[in-house]
Amino acid sequence: DIVMTQTPLSLSVTPGQPASISCRSSQSLLHDDGRTYLYWYLQKPGQSPQLLIYELSTRISAVPDRFSASGSAKDFTLNISRVEAEDVGVYYCMQSIQVPLTFGGGTTVEIK
Amino acid sequence: EEQLVQSGAEVRKPGESLKISCKTSGYSFTTQWIAWVRQMPGKGPEWMGVIYPDDSDVRYSPSFQGQVTISADKSISTAYLQWSSLKASDTATYYCARHQNDLLTGYASLNYFYGLDVWGQGTTVTVSS
Repeated sequence: DIVMTQTPLSLSVTPGQPASISCRSSQSLLHDDGRTYLYWYLQKPGQSPQLLIYELSTRISAVPDRFSASGSAKDFTLNISRVEAEDVGVYYCMQSIQVPLTFGGGTTVEIK
Repeated sequence: EEQLVQSGAEVRKPGESLKISCKTSGYSFTTQWIAWVRQMPGKGPEWMGVIYPDDSDVRYSPSFQGQVTISADKSISTAYLQWSSLKASDTATYYCARHQNDLLTGYASLNYFYGLDVWGQGTTVTVSS
């Protein structure tokens, strides 16, 4: 199975300040078709996970543009340019290049 | 509005059987893969497997093969997850979620799965003697 490793485990951020979450995969997520099968989710407290970013860097339409993502074949980053109170929760990366699909262990973002 | 609505919380004893459901609406049920995802208390999600409701093609994660059964009834746009003999270690919240189709073609792929873009609210299963 592809192992997804996220850092840090948790992040405490002052509102309006930036935040950055890293995710590393044990194998390349860059497919021969040129697409990178890496996704980012946010699970807010008491809710189901919600998809934020798909295929490395494309935001779901409802996701604010303060969220951005980038990366290469095995190293990925989710950035929040100015954290707001509604951004608290656990962020997960997920790969879909190989079955079984696997998630990272999660990064908890809280507000200072 | 695209929705996945799951059945309610369940409490069972070890060895008992259970079937939970995921009723979909607002889109064509037969044209997108539906996944089941386990989340144990305080842990990250785990992808258990998927079903393509049009022909009931099912793929399991090796970790869950033989432990659960995924099925669907396309006449009522509902997917299911079932156990024949529960263990205490099955205690978790189970989510159904819809896989995106291939964004270039608009169709589901036979061999690749994309992001999980619509999720059910989760079903908490507690197995305790």
